[in-house]
Amino acid sequence: QSALTQPASVSGSPGQSITISCTGTSYDVGNYKYVSWYQQHPGKAPKLIISEVTKRPSGISNRFSGFKSGNTASLTIFGLQAEDEADYYCTSYATSSSVRVVFGGGTKLTVL
Amino acid sequence: QVQLQESGPGLVKPSETLSLTCTISNGSISGYYWGWVRQPPGKGLEFIGYISYGGSTEYNPSLESRVTISRDTSKNQFSLQLTSVTAADTAVYFCARYATDPENFDHWGQGALVRVAS
Repeated sequence: QSALTQPASVSGSPGQSITISCTGTSYDVGNYKYVSWYQQHPGKAPKLIISEVTKRPSGISNRFSGFKSGNTASLTIFGLQAEDEADYYCTSYATSSSVRVVFGGGTKLTVL
Repeated sequence: QVQLQESGPGLVKPSETLSLTCTISNGSISGYYWGWVRQPPGKGLEFIGYISYGGSTEYNPSLESRVTISRDTSKNQFSLQLTSVTAADTAVYFCARYATDPENFDHWGQGALVRVAS
């Protein structure tokens, strides 16, 4: 069982917007600005798309937006495109008794 | 743009040791943290551990008794050893650069599939 909880799947049509949630605890998401999101296409390495809750690395489309409230972070993708179909993982810095870096279980985004 | 490349055997026998090396190009190993993440077939990502620029290490507690991450600064490489492997260790193993503050993996290797089977 992953430390951070994500929905297993979400879907949307081209042009629509979707939001993926990532729920943690006060030992990780709720207590730090260090929430990141990764996009992973099949057979490829994960790619960092959101850093520190809201920041987009250079080259990442402004269609990707991050937010956090309490123990839950979220990733919104505006104006869905076919190439957005991928798996998305959240991660957070953590200071619980367990691992320092915790991943969510991943969310499969299907563009209908 | 820093690039990372994993190398090592793609097949390891049960109870033996999995060994992978990550070679860094277009960048220096010095001054950064470097880590490993794995992904069993069809499953999610799992943090294995990282090594700091000072040489200290931090591991996932679930693997800590079997994992060693080391580095060779002269070769611009770092390595993963996982002992006493079982079929549950079959996964794609990614090496990656870990950026402290923002605490994420900002550059990744392409991944190496390691299968544990006799």
